[in-house]
Amino acid sequence: GAVVSQHPSRVICKSGTSVKIECRSLDFQATTMFWYRQFPKKSLMLMATSNEGSKATYEQGVEKDKFLINHASLTLSTLTVTSAHPEDSSFYICSARDSRGGYEQFFGPGTRLTVL
Amino acid sequence: GENVEQHPSTLSVQEGDSAVIKCTYSDSASNYFPWYKQELGKGPQLIIDIRSNVGEKKDQRIAVTLNKTAKHFSLHITETQPEDSAVYFCAARENNAGNMLTFGGGTRLMVKP
Repeated sequence: GAVVSQHPSRVICKSGTSVKIECRSLDFQATTMFWYRQFPKKSLMLMATSNEGSKATYEQGVEKDKFLINHASLTLSTLTVTSAHPEDSSFYICSARDSRGGYEQFFGPGTRLTVL
Repeated sequence: GENVEQHPSTLSVQEGDSAVIKCTYSDSASNYFPWYKQELGKGPQLIIDIRSNVGEKKDQRIAVTLNKTAKHFSLHITETQPEDSAVYFCAARENNAGNMLTFGGGTRLMVKP
């Protein structure tokens, strides 16, 4: 099946620093990628949808200046959490949609962010 | 917009028994219904999906049924094994490039050996 990788898998940072998370589709092209946030024992919360070569579309309540998304190629999207604070600690998961047909959506393994 | 309800939120079964998880959706235009399995600390994994042109799909011990009239779909796992223990999410979407998945709240399945 289609593989989506995410890096890093785990990151701990100090308050006020920025953290970049990479999401790659390894064996397919993804014109659309999604970024989710998941709190413990909760469902996935969509943060933004990114389309290759264009600006991301953010969900209501998600600060676009805080969560910078770049989708520079058909296989790579990045999420940068700027000036991170402890409340940004969470499990961030990216997802990529296979654009070849069927539009299945595959998820990365997630990144556990802890802000001290 | 779409709203997906999932039940039960937790489900405990004995190894070898069957498990059934049910979801309802609100948008009659939705026509793609995937199911994901999420193990602790990992991302969701697509395990099976169904499109609205069929009523049932099976893959070994896993099957999904869809009732478009009633707007509900279900995941059936037979002969459960301890490694089936995970959180399962259903989702619904209109099957075109512009629309996003709407997820159910998840079901924590525990299979007791």
